[in-house]
Amino acid sequence: EAGVTQFPSHSVIEKGQTVTLRCDPISGHDNLYWYRRVMGKEIKFLLHFVKESKQDESGMPNNRFLAERTGGTYSTLKVQPAELEDSGVYFCASSSRQGSGYTFGSGTRLTVV
Amino acid sequence: AQKVTQAQTEISVVEKEDVTLDCVYETRDTTYYLFWYKQPPSGELVFLIRRNSFDEQNEISGRYSWNFQKSTSSFNFTITASQVVDSAVYFCALREDNDMRFGAGTRLTVKP
Repeated sequence: EAGVTQFPSHSVIEKGQTVTLRCDPISGHDNLYWYRRVMGKEIKFLLHFVKESKQDESGMPNNRFLAERTGGTYSTLKVQPAELEDSGVYFCASSSRQGSGYTFGSGTRLTVV
Repeated sequence: AQKVTQAQTEISVVEKEDVTLDCVYETRDTTYYLFWYKQPPSGELVFLIRRNSFDEQNEISGRYSWNFQKSTSSFNFTITASQVVDSAVYFCALREDNDMRFGAGTRLTVKP
C-alpha cells in the first residue's frame, strides 16, 4: 500500500508569490488532514476533509490559505500571497475513518524569503 | 481545550544510555487517544504508538516502552540502550474526536 505522498518536498519562494502544495492520501482514505510546523514549534492542525467536504477548518490561519479536495482524492493547499511567517513544514495525513490512526506524509518544507 | 506539553526541548545522550521523553497532557474528555511520533532527519512523521484513555497498561516494544498514567496525565516514552539511529524529534500528541494536538517536540541526539 502506497503511503501519503506530498509534493513538492521543498519549496523556496519569494514573499508575495503563490505556492501550491499537494497531498495524495492513501487510496480509500476519506479523511485528510493538513498540519504545519512553524519555526520549530508544535505541529498545528490546519484543517480536515471528509471526502471532498471541509469538516473542520478552524486551524487555517487566515484567508491567504485555501485548501481544496476536488473529487475527494488528492488535496491542494494554496498560499497566496505568501508571507515570511508562512515558512515551515506542512504535513498531510489521512485516515480511513474517524478514530483510526493517521498516516502522515513526509511533509513539504516551505521557505518564504 | 487540549494541551500537550513536552517540557524537554532537547536531550543529548551517549549511545547505550536509557532516555525518557516526557509528555503531559490536558483534556476534559474521558475518551481520548495519545500518540507518539518520530520525525527522523529525513522529515517524515513515523507513527510509534497509540493508546486510548481506557487502557492504562504500559507497553513495551523492543527498546521502546511507554508509561501511561492518567493520575498524572502523563504519557512518557523511554528508549532503553539508545542508539545513534534513535536521533530524531519525537512528538507526543493527544486526540479527541478528530482534533489532534501535538506537543512542541523533543529533539533527541544520541552520540556514539
